Amino acid sequence: IAGITQAPTSQILAAGRRMTLRCTQDMRHNAMYWYRQDLGLGLRLIHYSNTAGTTGKGEVPDGYSVSRANTDDFPLTLASAVPSQTSVYFCASSEQGATNTGELFFGEGSRLTVL
Amino acid sequence: SQQGEEDPQALSIQEGENATMNCSYKTSINNLQWYRQNSGRGLVHLILIRSNEREKHSGRLRVTLDTSKKSSSLLITASRAADTASYFCLTNAGKSTFGDGTTLTVKP
Repeated sequence: IAGITQAPTSQILAAGRRMTLRCTQDMRHNAMYWYRQDLGLGLRLIHYSNTAGTTGKGEVPDGYSVSRANTDDFPLTLASAVPSQTSVYFCASSEQGATNTGELFFGEGSRLTVL
Repeated sequence: SQQGEEDPQALSIQEGENATMNCSYKTSINNLQWYRQNSGRGLVHLILIRSNEREKHSGRLRVTLDTSKKSSSLLITASRAADTASYFCLTNAGKSTFGDGTTLTVKP
């Protein structure tokens, strides 16, 4: 059982470049989330999606965009990367939506370094 | 802003001892969850307690919730070296918000 699959696991990127982090789940969960985790800190919500076709902004959405064309995939795009976006990015899913969150299932993270 | 805040930030104990960490939050919640994160890995769900529950157990884990004080505690009994990890609380009041976590080190 794969659960949540994130790609790439690690990436070094030049500032100003566009980057898409991929996230796929095989649990048919309704809701999906993107978090960033800076060194030694907790996770901050970037964007979320309650169900396919809908998205919403989290705590730190600036500089990021998402789409939810189908249930399984929830890509996160950095249109023009900046060094402050250096972080570890975690994708998660839950059976219920963001307004009534049950257990979250996490991927193993994508470590992004913007130089 | 983050709603759940864990304390202490760091905790170091000997194997076999109990570990207690706390989570405080600011507004009403539907439920509160605890997660564990091993170094370099994704978060793993440990336990969920609903706002109408006061205590919940799962193996060596005991979670309490005091909605009047807007706080929760996670107790790990008879700790093991494998319990070394960061622990996060997640409050659910519309959108999921994590605290900065408690880093637990269990020395063999």
